[in-house]
This record gives sequence, structure tokens and C-alpha cells, in this order.
Amino acid sequence: EPEVTQTPSHQVTQMGQEVILRCVPISNHLYFYWYRQILGQKVEFLVSFYNNEISEKSEIFDDQFSVERPDGSNFTLKIRSTKLEDSAMYFCASTEPPYEQYFGPGTRLTVT
Amino acid sequence: GIQVEQSPPDLILQEGANSTLRCNFSDSVNNLQWFHQNPWGQLINLFYIPSGTKQNGRLSATTVATERYSLLYISSSQTTDSGVYFCAVEPLGANSKLTFGKGITLSVRP
Repeated sequence: EPEVTQTPSHQVTQMGQEVILRCVPISNHLYFYWYRQILGQKVEFLVSFYNNEISEKSEIFDDQFSVERPDGSNFTLKIRSTKLEDSAMYFCASTEPPYEQYFGPGTRLTVT
Repeated sequence: GIQVEQSPPDLILQEGANSTLRCNFSDSVNNLQWFHQNPWGQLINLFYIPSGTKQNGRLSATTVATERYSLLYISSSQTTDSGVYFCAVEPLGANSKLTFGKGITLSVRP
């Protein structure tokens, strides 16, 4: 069964450093998403991406964040200058609406 | 935006017991999904159920879209069912983003 994959599974970085989280969506899906979950809290939408552009973003997704589909398979989330409060689990998801979204296993980001 | 309320917030069961988890939402939706978050933090798709009833083994779910709620039933619970259960909805016209509830923490004791 096709699945969404994410790398790395765990990333530790120092405050102020740039990080890139990588995702490979399901191959025939055209809509991609990033969500995040701060420890112990609910999952929150960050951004959706379709046709090589952002289709919607939340208020969390400020200028420090960017997304890119650099080739036909990868979908990346970049945080330019990490803050302590960026520590969270980051999930990538993909779908072909109107069907269900499939989530990757997540990247646990720890900012020290 | 849409509100998603899950109840109860916490649930403790003895192995073998049955349970019902509820999700209420405040507006019409295109999509509703139930997830199980395992101890490693992974979100496991349980059901895609914008309306109607589905069953998968010991789990079943029902969504009554006109009354804006969904129920997840777990029968003959096992310790491996422990974890957090999330309901997530896609509001009409929301460009397919999901809004999650706060989750229900289930603990199944042997």
C-alpha cells in the first residue's frame, strides 16, 4: 500500500539554525500539507500546497517558514531561524480530494 | 472557524470492555477522519467517514452529518488500543485542510 514518508524521524537543532524537513507524498496525489503538533496538544494545520504554490496557510506559518516541491517527488518544509517554540512533531500529508488525507510518520523537531 | 469537540477527554477501560468516543463539530463538513496516535506519535488512519457507518474489525464509526457528530466504537478493547484518538474535519469550502479536535486519551488496562 502506498504511503507518505518523512525524513528525518528526529532532528535536533540549535536555536537560530535553519532546518529542512522532507516528505515524499503518495505518487499520484496532487495536494500536500504540513501540520504540526506541539507535545501534548492537538494537531494544527500549517500550510497546503497545490499546483506548485501555497493554496492556504495558517497564522502559524509566518515568514520563517517556507515550502517547496523541488522535484517530482519531494515536498519540503524549511524553517529559516528556529526558535524554542518550534519544537514539535511535524506531519506531512497528501491527498487527492475529496478523499482522505494520508499522513506520514512525522519528524520530531527539538530546538535547544 | 469550525469547532471540533471530542468527549470524553480521558477514558480508562479494562481489557475486553467496549467504548464509544464522540466527536461534535460546529459546521457542515466535506470530510471527517478518525485517527489513532500510537505511542511513537504516528497518526494512524482509522476511518474516512464524512457520513454513514463503516466497520473495520473491532472498530466501527458512524457520522450523522446533519446532526454534526461522529462516533467511534471500540469493542473488546485490547491494551494495544491505548493511545490518543483524534477526530479531524474538513469544513465546506476549506480547501481541504483538516481541523483536529483535542483528542481522547484511551488507556486500556490488562
